[in-house]
Amino acid sequence: GAGVSQTPSNKVTEKGKYVELRCDPISGHTALYWYRQSLGQGPEFLIYFQGTGAADDSGLPNDRFFAVRPEGSVSTLKIQRTERGDSAVYLCASRQTGGDNTGELFFGEGSRLTVL
Amino acid sequence: AQSVTQPDIHITVSEGASLELRCNYSYGATPYLFWYVQSPGQGLQLLLKYFSGDTLVQGIKGFEAEFKRSQSSFNLRKPSVHWSDAAEYFCAVGSGYSTLTFGKGTMLLVSP
Repeated sequence: GAGVSQTPSNKVTEKGKYVELRCDPISGHTALYWYRQSLGQGPEFLIYFQGTGAADDSGLPNDRFFAVRPEGSVSTLKIQRTERGDSAVYLCASRQTGGDNTGELFFGEGSRLTVL
Repeated sequence: AQSVTQPDIHITVSEGASLELRCNYSYGATPYLFWYVQSPGQGLQLLLKYFSGDTLVQGIKGFEAEFKRSQSSFNLRKPSVHWSDAAEYFCAVGSGYSTLTFGKGTMLLVSP
């Protein structure tokens, strides 16, 4: 597609439930990132994929958070046993790699997660 | 570890006045530096970027920024602010091959 697409745009769930957030990056972008943005804060890094593998998952806050990218395109961020503190906007971004890469991340509009 | 400091949480500027948003970074090598803008309910849009060459970079919407290595700064400027510039602005630093680290943002308010 033309840009990074994230679904759902809004998700309301109850404490303890399982949630999946989906990201469809720009076609041809092999690098994919997940960030979390809490109210009044800047985006905080969660995980970065290069192709199918997680190149850096040091930002995942705990083992309730997991992400996959099985075919090197679409990625799913999975949150188990959600807590109220998980409420935030989850941003996905993708980036070119190779000779044209200038480091710029292209962001989707985010998935707003509210845990009641 | 890389980090970004945006010392101003909020700034209010009169329409037509000049603007400067401050950004200081900490990075172990030559940084790639970025300014993004986020309007309410929207994703992050790139305003401009620096990764080499001329230290004064021009971006979209009339914005510019200057990389000053000696001060570890990358301040964003605009000579004349328009009401549509009201938004939140984020400075970010990275290597171009891994993650970007963002500051906490500066909210720009434009008064008539």
